[in-house]
Amino acid sequence: DIQLTQSPSFLSASVGDRVTITCRASQDISSYLAWFQQKPGKAPKLLISGTSTLQSGVPSRFSGSGSGTELTLTISSLQPEDFATYYCQQGYTYPLTFGGGTKVEIK
Amino acid sequence: EVQLVESGGGLVQPGGSLRLSCAASGFSFSDHYMNWVRQAPGKGLEWIGRSRDKAHSHSTEYAASVKGRFTISRDESNNSLYLQMNSLKTEDTAVYYCTRDFGSGGRYYSDYWGQGSLVTVSS
Repeated sequence: DIQLTQSPSFLSASVGDRVTITCRASQDISSYLAWFQQKPGKAPKLLISGTSTLQSGVPSRFSGSGSGTELTLTISSLQPEDFATYYCQQGYTYPLTFGGGTKVEIK
Repeated sequence: EVQLVESGGGLVQPGGSLRLSCAASGFSFSDHYMNWVRQAPGKGLEWIGRSRDKAHSHSTEYAASVKGRFTISRDESNNSLYLQMNSLKTEDTAVYYCTRDFGSGGRYYSDYWGQGSLVTVSS
């Protein structure tokens, strides 16, 4: 199975900060990665598919990049509504797997 | 508007069975891959299985943790996805989400999620 390791697992940041979350895969997953945002008590929301394709309605401050075994999610200027937990998921092969999550909290 | 509504969760004893349903609306159900994803209390997300679309004969894939115990099926006549869970264990306690996939670049990603259904396995 492909293991996805997210770092950091927790980060404390201020409104306006630039934030980068890394997802490292145990083997090459090409660009077959998605990023999800989850707020407490809510279902996850798809932000980015195929490493860098922003979903409709997702603010442009979110971006994704990378390929192979190291992929990143960047929030260019953190907004109050962005405080949440973020998960990466590989769609390369079965079983589909998720990273352990990165919780973004207010500093 | 795409909607996914799960039902059927509840309290069940270890070794018992439960069937979750997911009622889909607002899209062509037969044309989409569908998944079940779960989240144990306070934990991360775990993919547990997928049902491919009608064009792929509704074939299925499962995570090792549930293979042989859980079965995904779908009823195109009433746009519903099901998860039959047998031989339940305490570690199956989680919120279970139904998700819809869309295809992009040869792979599939979950763009819509239901609200989740809580399954508690406890004596």
